Amino acid sequence: GAVVSQHPSRVICKSGTSVKIECRSLDFQATTMFWYRQFPKKSLMLMATSNEGSKATYEQGVEKDKFLINHASLTLSTLTVTSAHPEDSSFYICSATPLGYSNQPQHFGDGTRLSIL
Amino acid sequence: QQQVKQSPQSLIVQKGGIPIINCAYENTAFDYFPWYQQFPGKGPALLIAIRPDVSEKKEGRFTISFNKSAKQFSLHIMDSQPGDSATYFCAALSGNTGKLIFGQGTTLQVKP
Repeated sequence: GAVVSQHPSRVICKSGTSVKIECRSLDFQATTMFWYRQFPKKSLMLMATSNEGSKATYEQGVEKDKFLINHASLTLSTLTVTSAHPEDSSFYICSATPLGYSNQPQHFGDGTRLSIL
Repeated sequence: QQQVKQSPQSLIVQKGGIPIINCAYENTAFDYFPWYQQFPGKGPALLIAIRPDVSEKKEGRFTISFNKSAKQFSLHIMDSQPGDSATYFCAALSGNTGKLIFGQGTTLQVKP
């Protein structure tokens, strides 16, 4: 089946640090990947849609300068949390849909637990 | 109009019971309705999905019932096991945007 890998699985860093999270589709290509944020015991909130070769589109209320997204290839999207602060601590999850299957459910990575001290 | 409402928030059943989780949507542009299972510290895993032209779909112990006119769908877990204890999310997908809209989630506990 379609596998999506996220790295790192957990990161702890000091306030003011920028943190990069990678999302890779291991056995398929994806022109579109999605980034979600999930707070404890809450649902997934879509942050942005990452488009290969073009700019990401952000959901309302998500700061594009805070959460930088780069989708440089058909198998890799990165999310960089710039100058992270404690309120950015959360569970970040990416997902992807195989190329040509935009009307089918997404496959999710195992998430990245970000803790800002 | 983009919301997907899910209930109950939490559910406790005995082993062998049949928990039922319900979802409702408003936007008729949604054309695919997946259910995801999430364990603590993990990403959501696709469980089963249905399209609106089908009223029921069964895969193993999991069944989706879909009522297009009422804009409601539900997940039934037959012969539930303690290993089914997890958080379940319904979702709705718009084929136009590829975006998934999630329900609020249901935490299921299956007691031995």
